[in-house]
Amino acid sequence: EVQLEESGGGLVQPGGSLRLSCAGSGFSVRSNYMNWVRQGPGKGLEWVSVIYTNGITYYADSVKGRFIISRDSSKNTLYLQMNSLRTEDTAVYYCARDVDGYGPFDFWGQGTLVTVSS
Amino acid sequence: QSALTQPASVSGSPGQSITISCTGTSIDIGAYNYVSWYQQHPGKAPKLMIYDVSNRPSGVSNRFSGSKSGNTASLTISGLQAEDEADYYCSSYTSTTPYVFGGGTKVTVL
Repeated sequence: EVQLEESGGGLVQPGGSLRLSCAGSGFSVRSNYMNWVRQGPGKGLEWVSVIYTNGITYYADSVKGRFIISRDSSKNTLYLQMNSLRTEDTAVYYCARDVDGYGPFDFWGQGTLVTVSS
Repeated sequence: QSALTQPASVSGSPGQSITISCTGTSIDIGAYNYVSWYQQHPGKAPKLMIYDVSNRPSGVSNRFSGSKSGNTASLTISGLQAEDEADYYCSSYTSTTPYVFGGGTKVTVL
């Protein structure tokens, strides 16, 4: 059974850093196109970042230069390093799997809440 | 990359059919048949309902159907049920970002 489980969320001050993790089971993180999608309080879904099977990465303009997506194949885990955090980064962060790089996101984690506030 | 455009809300009575539109541009919906739809209940993760414009994943009711014309995709829910009350989001592959979501539509069952 395919499962995704995020962790690492919490309260951080503006300008701070946080690293999110997404542990996969029942499939290979390295062999899929793995994404981070976020949802601000009372807002819609916003795509954040993707790492392709070949290691190429893409980012939304809103996080480019501040966030870094990566994976550890030995742990079958996806990561999102978030630096220079802003209040507008406050959101529930979901990891989601895309099998072929064109969408859809067929499996999602339960989400982890990141709150950026002083 | 701007978000795809969805109506903020759509409502219908039990048993009726409703349609949610999702309007994009020639670099996303108009260019690819990679449109998907997601259902999200409060406090829950999104669930894939439709992929590649009109395909249903295993386990999704055949009351849900999708279509596309030009730069606009649509999700139709037939035989509306109380459990269908949720937020719905469209998404498309794009030639730029490479993914974009719609702003979301709240479906209310009257």
